[in-house]
Amino acid sequence: DGGITQSPKYLFRKEGQNVTLSCEQNLNHDAMYWYRQDPGQGLRLIYYSQIVNDFQKGDIAEGYSVSREKKESFPLTVTSAQKNPTAFYLCASTQGADIQYFGAGTRLSVL
Amino acid sequence: SQQGEEDPQALSIQEGENATMNCSYKTSINNLQWYRQNSGRGLVHLILIRSNEREKHSGRLRVTLDTSKKSSSLLITASRAADTASYFCATATHLNNDMRFGAGTRLTVKP
Repeated sequence: DGGITQSPKYLFRKEGQNVTLSCEQNLNHDAMYWYRQDPGQGLRLIYYSQIVNDFQKGDIAEGYSVSREKKESFPLTVTSAQKNPTAFYLCASTQGADIQYFGAGTRLSVL
Repeated sequence: SQQGEEDPQALSIQEGENATMNCSYKTSINNLQWYRQNSGRGLVHLILIRSNEREKHSGRLRVTLDTSKKSSSLLITASRAADTASYFCATATHLNNDMRFGAGTRLTVKP
């Protein structure tokens, strides 16, 4: 069953803690993306990676970090520097500037 | 920064009516895509229209693109209650493969 898998579905962060959101794809796509969505809002681009071992900052990268060591994996770390992390996080992948396939999302809340 | 802006922000219609949503963007694009999001879920791709195309159909969906006005419209004909969702336009530029999403139109179809 091909697609994008995000885990966990729900995540809680304590103050000062770093947390990592997982995103795995088996579509053999080169490009992967992380978006943040606040309630009733659109998607804002955090980071994207067009190839393994390379990634670029999006519009709201501050307080986040990523890695792309494997083609199928693009984890996002929400660091303690991100003071307002509560949001819905979506991962996507694509081949070229084409259709993006999305995961089901991770909802992050602060304890 | 967000590239696309949808209009209206919210739309409420009766089942069987047509729904029209508009999207405006700012820079030259390679293609424009429309996505649908049910509440709390990931986005699902609906239709892609390339910059050299003017109109595209898929089932009850009709998309138009006017590159001179930097705008697109999505028409859903004979709407159903199951069409209730948020609809987003997204643009991919010629320069790179990062995509930008608008804030979306929240469509409610009343049975």
